[in-house]
Amino acid sequence: SQKIEQNSEALNIQEGKTATLTCNYTNYSPAYLQWYRQDPGRGPVFLLLIRENEKEKRKERLKVTFDTTLKQSLFHITASQPADSATYLCALDMDQGGKLIFGQGTELSVKP
Amino acid sequence: EADIYQTPRYLVIGTGKKITLECSQTMGHDKMYWYQQDPGMELHLIHYSYGVNSTEKGDLSSESTVSRIRTEHFPLTLESARPSHTSQYLCASSVRGRTNEKLFFGSGTQLSVL
Repeated sequence: SQKIEQNSEALNIQEGKTATLTCNYTNYSPAYLQWYRQDPGRGPVFLLLIRENEKEKRKERLKVTFDTTLKQSLFHITASQPADSATYLCALDMDQGGKLIFGQGTELSVKP
Repeated sequence: EADIYQTPRYLVIGTGKKITLECSQTMGHDKMYWYQQDPGMELHLIHYSYGVNSTEKGDLSSESTVSRIRTEHFPLTLESARPSHTSQYLCASSVRGRTNEKLFFGSGTQLSVL
């Protein structure tokens, strides 16, 4: 069956450390993979997109990797800050005109 | 900041009532979507539209209906609300960028049916 899995347990880290979030999927062949941030009671906000033929993408303190052999994406936040505390969602993009398939998200808490 | 608006933010109603959740965007996007999300769970696509007078059902079966008479407006209607419809409803729009689509979401409507 088709499945997307993100760390189900909340991730608690100390300010200044690097947060690493995992997204694994089975029985999908996404053309792209997207990451979103969602704050409580709000809609998700787009962060980064990576193509299937890209290994790594960076944007300021964010880094995403995409391994189509392992069927896994890793999302890193370096020099984390309390303001980074939120739920992070990965979404598979099958290149079907914006119809994304979302994981359940990982809640990140950065303590000062 | 995305220019996509949903009203109401919160709605508590009784079983059997007809409700309409409003969604408007000012970005001129042709594509719009409705997702449903329960606490701690994935977003599930319930409806989408690729333009005026075009609507399709998503992967998750829903008793709701949608319409797209104007580009900027994509309302969702429940003819007879039930407690099983209690959920958060998120509206989104998208545009194809240099690489691919990214979604812009509204703040959502939290619906509670008693």
